[in-house]
Amino acid sequence: DVKVTQSSRYLVKRTGEKVFLECVQDMDHENMFWYRQDPGLGLRLIYFSYDVKMKEKGDIPEGYSVSREKKERFSLILESASTNQTSMYLCASSLGLAGVVYEQFFGPGTRLTVL
Amino acid sequence: QKEVEQNSGPLSVPEGAIASLNCTYSDRGSQSFFWYRQYSGKSPELIMSIYSNGDKEDGRFTAQLNKASQYVSLLIRDSQPSDSATYLCAVNNNFNKFYFGSGTKLNVKP
Repeated sequence: DVKVTQSSRYLVKRTGEKVFLECVQDMDHENMFWYRQDPGLGLRLIYFSYDVKMKEKGDIPEGYSVSREKKERFSLILESASTNQTSMYLCASSLGLAGVVYEQFFGPGTRLTVL
Repeated sequence: QKEVEQNSGPLSVPEGAIASLNCTYSDRGSQSFFWYRQYSGKSPELIMSIYSNGDKEDGRFTAQLNKASQYVSLLIRDSQPSDSATYLCAVNNNFNKFYFGSGTKLNVKP
């Protein structure tokens, strides 16, 4: 079974703090993704990575950065947390063979509250 | 215009009935389509994937794809209360970017 884990289920931070969300997958997947999910807006892609040290911006990258130093680990960084970043953050991974699209597997999510 | 549109619901069906969930997408070049189920407070879990026009069946679930009309649907036969969840439609255009609908909430009444 594919397992995607996230460092925290719930997190409370203050405005202006630097926040690290970590994601680890154990299936040797090439692709990893960070989404945020808000009511009525669905899942929105923040960043994704298709290889170690490679990253691409998603639809809403502003205020976020990412790091992928090892294949199994993909970190999301909020440089200076703001209240509008209060959300559910979901990490996902998938195989990434060229020319083939594989389904994504999701971690349990981190519910972040910024006060 | 959103990339993927779903009726937010809630869709209410009695236990044992067929639930029909629909999704439309805007990118005619989309190639891969997925249905996820998400229970309240949990993360999405994959139910089905479909890549070519027509029907694909897996147990009580049937996915239907019509690329000419740009819609994909999910039928759940013999609906159970445990099927009550939000169902997310996801579409991929072969560039590793997935677009998700905002989901349809399904209530199956005993």
